[in-house]
Formats: sequence, C-alpha cells, structure tokens
Amino acid sequence: EAGVTQSPTHLIKTRGQQATLRCSPISGHTSVYWYQQALGLGLQFLLWYDEGEERNRGNFPPRFSGRQFPNYSSELNVNALELEDSALYLCASSLGGSTGAFFGQGTRLTVV
Amino acid sequence: RKEVEQDPGPFNVPEGATVAFNCTYSNSASQSFFWYRQDCRKEPKLLMSVYSSGNEDGRFTAQLNRASQYISLLIRDSKLSDSATYLCVVNRNTGNQFYFGTGTSLTVIP
Repeated sequence: EAGVTQSPTHLIKTRGQQATLRCSPISGHTSVYWYQQALGLGLQFLLWYDEGEERNRGNFPPRFSGRQFPNYSSELNVNALELEDSALYLCASSLGGSTGAFFGQGTRLTVV
Repeated sequence: RKEVEQDPGPFNVPEGATVAFNCTYSNSASQSFFWYRQDCRKEPKLLMSVYSSGNEDGRFTAQLNRASQYISLLIRDSKLSDSATYLCVVNRNTGNQFYFGTGTSLTVIP
C-alpha cells in the first residue's frame, strides 16, 4: 500500500513569490495535517483538513493557506514568500486519532 | 501551557546502555498516545503506540501514567542506530488533532 506522497521533493523560490505544495494521503485516510519544520527545530502545526473542511490552523499568518480535495489530497499554498519560510514542510494523514498519523517525506522549500 | 512537553536533551549514552525519556501532557482529555522517531532531516515515523497497561516492542517499552499525565519510553541495550530524535505525541480523539512534543535528542556513542 502506498504511503503518504508529497511533491515536489525540493522547491526553490525567490522572496515574494508563491509556492504550492501537494500531498496525497494514504488510501482511506480522510484527515490531512500540514507541519512546518525549520532546520534544527520542532514541528510547528500549520493546518488540519478533514472531509474537505479546514478543522484547525496553527499560529501562522493568512498567507499560509490550503485546501483538501474530494479525493482527500491536499495542497498548501504560501503567498508572498519570506526568507524565514525556508523549511521542511511535512504532510501527514490519519484514519483516526487512535491509529496515529503517517508522514510523507516532506517538501524542502528554500526561499532565496 | 504547551499541550506536550519533553526534555529536549541531548542524551548521550554509550552502546548497550538503558535510557528513558519522559513526556508530560497538559490535557486530561487526551486519549491516544504515541512515540515517534525522527532521523536528521527526515520525516517522523511512528515508533509505537502507548497503551494504558504499558506495552513492549523488542528493546522498547512504553508506559502511560494517566494520573500524573506522563508518558515514558525506555530503550534497553541501546544501538548506534537508535540515535535520533524521539517525539511524544498525544491525541484527544474527539478532535482528532495530534499534538507533538518538540522532541528529545538521543545520541548513542560507540
């Protein structure tokens, strides 16, 4: 069974541009979570989608947004990129709270 | 107050040692508990769930103390390959959101 897949693996953008990151959850998983992890730091919760709805968002500015599609895949959009947005962006999917969340390999975003 | 708190370490232990990590959670409504392992610049991977009665998987033992709201992970006979960051995670189930600790760094030394 395929795991969580994210694309692209690496992304280089210039300051002020927009970035779009994509995530396909494990088949059957309806919840998708996005996290930001700057180098050497812990996971920072960004967004949680379930059944196509945004359920919660972390303490990030509105230029971080996303959506979940009817097939439960998701995309994260970051507008007006800033240098400090450079980080590993991780997507995870879950079938339910008791079964754990499973991560993709991440998208490494570099803003120059 | 953070949902989940962990001692960041680092823990530096010799091969073969036993090492224990603790984690506390703030919300008594938390229902599911997990330990994840994250290697440098990689995604976190589920190491084991933590059950009320405690559970073991090879050299790894996880314990839950609901009264004191803490979770522990014990690693016996440490291997070099155990070097990683260990993340404590809780979920309330009703909301289905996962709360991650900042992780505890372990380095096993030859």
